[in-house]
Parts: sequence; structure tokens; C-alpha cells
Amino acid sequence: DADVTQTPRNRITKTGKRIMLECSQTKGHDRMYWYRQDPGLGLRLIYYSFDVKDINKGEISDGYSVSRQAQAKFSLSLESAIPNQTALYFCATSPRYRGGRETQYFGPGTRLLVL
Amino acid sequence: RKEVEQDPGPFNVPEGATVAFNCTYSNSASQSFFWYRQDCRKEPKLLMSVYSSGNEDGRFTAQLNRASQYISLLIRDSKLSDSATYLCAVSNYGGSQGNLIFGKGTKLSVKP
Repeated sequence: DADVTQTPRNRITKTGKRIMLECSQTKGHDRMYWYRQDPGLGLRLIYYSFDVKDINKGEISDGYSVSRQAQAKFSLSLESAIPNQTALYFCATSPRYRGGRETQYFGPGTRLLVL
Repeated sequence: RKEVEQDPGPFNVPEGATVAFNCTYSNSASQSFFWYRQDCRKEPKLLMSVYSSGNEDGRFTAQLNRASQYISLLIRDSKLSDSATYLCAVSNYGGSQGNLIFGKGTKLSVKP
């Protein structure tokens, strides 16, 4: 079984709809992240969470919200989807900061299309 | 200057060639450096960490040059299966310690 899972894997929705993307991990990591990836723009950080009670905005948080329901679960919501939120969304995890060797492990991604 | 910049791609090389990618970073306080590999429509996967002394893993060699603020990835004896996009990642330093900043990636295509 994959260590980091994302649901759904693909989603088509309409402008104005509320949708939620979910991420679960079995790695026991404290830190979780949401990124979006667009052609030519690379990976951009939306939100990150260092533990259940510590949630922070990333580079492009406008239009998104998150919830860290448990150490293992981190969900991303689009309250009112718009077409320019069409992208590939990745969840990632990493262990607690211990001086800089901690890498991030990615889920398989959710491909979102907003019509 | 952008925080993390990579060589523009794509790199098209024949099988067996040696290819090198560079990645420059702007924050001199960055502590950790990584190379990821991303196949088309898939998630990035860690290829290797980059240590101060340089490190090698089979056909792959990573180097760090702190003075010039860049990291490099050398692939020897390229295989068709090496075709992918290679992302460099650099940790930031400060309140969000441990966060990674990713380059936009360099696409490698290895041809028969």
C-alpha cells in the first residue's frame, strides 16, 4: 500500500462548486503540504502544516482552505472553484525538522479540471 | 533573481551520453539540497540528497558548490529509462525550516 494517498485521483467540476481533496499518510510524519503544479510554473506551495494545530499559508493560498483532521490526514478545499484552479495537486509529507536532512514524500496527485 | 533556477530544457541526448544539470539558489543560508525525478503525470520522487562533500549513486553524481550557490546532477551512460523531468529542491531557512523550494524542472529525453 502507498504511504501517501490522495483522493480523488481525477475530478471534473464546474465553476462555483465547492470541492475537497483529501490526503492520508501512513508514514507517521508530522508535516504535511499541499502543492499545485502547472505547466511552466513548477510546484507551488499552497498550505503546509507542521502538526495538527499548526497550519500555515504558502505561496498561493488565496481561494483555498485546509483542514488537518489528524496527524495522518490533511484536506484541501476549494470553496468556490474557478477555471484557473485547474491543475495537478500534490500532497506531500516530511518528518519533523531535525536540522535539515528531511526530504518530502509525495502522493500520486489529483488532476482537477474546473469547467 | 528567483529563489531556485534550473537549466532550461529540454535536453535531448543519445543513449550512453553523459548529461549534466545545474540548479542555482539564491538563499545562502539554505541547508539541504535534493534532486527529484518526475515522470510524466506522476508525483516527484526523491532521486538523491546532495551532501557538501558530493555523493554518488551508481550512474548519478550530485555536487554542491556553496560558494557559487549551485548544485549539479551528472548522469553517466544515459538510459532510455532516464527520460523524465528532474527537479532540484532547496530547503529554506528561518520560520518555515524544512520547507522545500522547487525549481521548475529540466526535461531530459534520452533517444535510442
